[in-house]
Amino acid sequence: GAVVSQHPSRVICKSGTSVKIECRSLDFQATTMFWYRQFPKQSLMLMATSNEGSKATYEQGVEKDKFLINHASLTLSTLTVTSAHPEDSSFYICSASRPSTDTQYFGPGTRLTVL
Amino acid sequence: AQKVTQAQTEISVVEKEDVTLDCVYETRDTTYYLFWYKQPPSGELVFLIRRNSFDEQNEISGRYSWNFQKSTSSFNFTITASQVVDSAVYFCAPGSGYELNFGKGTSLLVTP
Repeated sequence: GAVVSQHPSRVICKSGTSVKIECRSLDFQATTMFWYRQFPKQSLMLMATSNEGSKATYEQGVEKDKFLINHASLTLSTLTVTSAHPEDSSFYICSASRPSTDTQYFGPGTRLTVL
Repeated sequence: AQKVTQAQTEISVVEKEDVTLDCVYETRDTTYYLFWYKQPPSGELVFLIRRNSFDEQNEISGRYSWNFQKSTSSFNFTITASQVVDSAVYFCAPGSGYELNFGKGTSLLVTP
């Protein structure tokens, strides 16, 4: 299967600081990557679709100025949580769509804790 | 739009038992894919299978098998001779590589 990495796997930060999460597709070029959020014992919620070289498409209710997404290359997308607050604490998972198989492959996730 | 129902919230079995996870979906699309993903306690979603709506043949991969019934819009997943390592949350999702409609997931606990 395809490999998608995510860094960091775990981060703890103070309220008001910004946190950047990286998502990389390691063995294929991904023109489209996705960012999800998952609360404990719940399903995944799509936050935004990240397209290489263009602006991300955000789902309804997701603040684009708070969750900044950059997809500068075909193998890297970043999610920056700006001015993080405790309610932003969650598990963030990225995925990359592999065109040849029309399948999303997921990263290992980043657990964000905002104190 | 597509919607999926995983009616079983939690299932608990003893090792070596067979277990079936149900998935019922709704879609207005004539062609679509159906996916199953596994999320172990570590959190990473592991891709298990992608099935094209045109292909109604059942599929077997080791201890895993999938039963696709287009007439009843179901895509059930069976684990034969379950093992402790099968303990995870399993998500069924209709969609494509660019859109996944996740169900709420079924949490499977396999005890020794």
